[in-house]
Amino acid sequence: EPEVTQTPSHQVTQMGQEVILRCVPISNHLYFYWYRQILGQKVEFLVSFYNNEISEKSEIFDDQFSVERPDGSNFTLKIRSTKLEDSAMYFCASSEGVSGAPSYEQYFGPGTRLTVT
Amino acid sequence: QKEVEQNSGPLSVPEGAIASLNCTYSDRGSQSFFWYRQYSGKSPELIMFIYSNGDKEDGRFTAQLNKASQYVSLLIRDSQPSDSATYLCAVNGDNFNKFYFGSGTKLNVKP
Repeated sequence: EPEVTQTPSHQVTQMGQEVILRCVPISNHLYFYWYRQILGQKVEFLVSFYNNEISEKSEIFDDQFSVERPDGSNFTLKIRSTKLEDSAMYFCASSEGVSGAPSYEQYFGPGTRLTVT
Repeated sequence: QKEVEQNSGPLSVPEGAIASLNCTYSDRGSQSFFWYRQYSGKSPELIMFIYSNGDKEDGRFTAQLNKASQYVSLLIRDSQPSDSATYLCAVNGDNFNKFYFGSGTKLNVKP
């Protein structure tokens, strides 16, 4: 069964460093998402991406963050100058397109745990 | 600020009972509503979505939506210990491509 994959599973970085989190969405999916979940807290939407551009972003997704689809398979989240409060689980998700709109089903990857020290 | 509210629980039910999970949302413009299950340390997994008022059934799960009351619920019939997880309610914003999650309700199904 197709699945969303994410690498690495755990990333430890020092405050102020840049990190790139990688995701491989399901191959025929057209809509891509990043979420984060701070330990013990709710899942928070960061950004949605379609047709090589950002579709929507949350207030959390400031200039520190960027997303890119560098090739036909990968979808990345870059965090510049990481802060302690960026420590969280980051989930990538993808969904199919149906008649020009995303389908209701989003498939989540297993997540990357980011620890900023 | 668009809010999605859930009772954090834990909600404890005996095996075989009906578990009822509730969610309220603040944005009347929300169009679609989702229930996810999240096991500890794992990613969310979609159980059901609903976008019309009324009930939607899928196996042991029934989602109920009341847009006038801004209320969505999930019923789990014949609860099993494997249903023990945190259940997340999510809604989309004005644009379908933006989503808001509640904090989740932890469900414990006791054998």
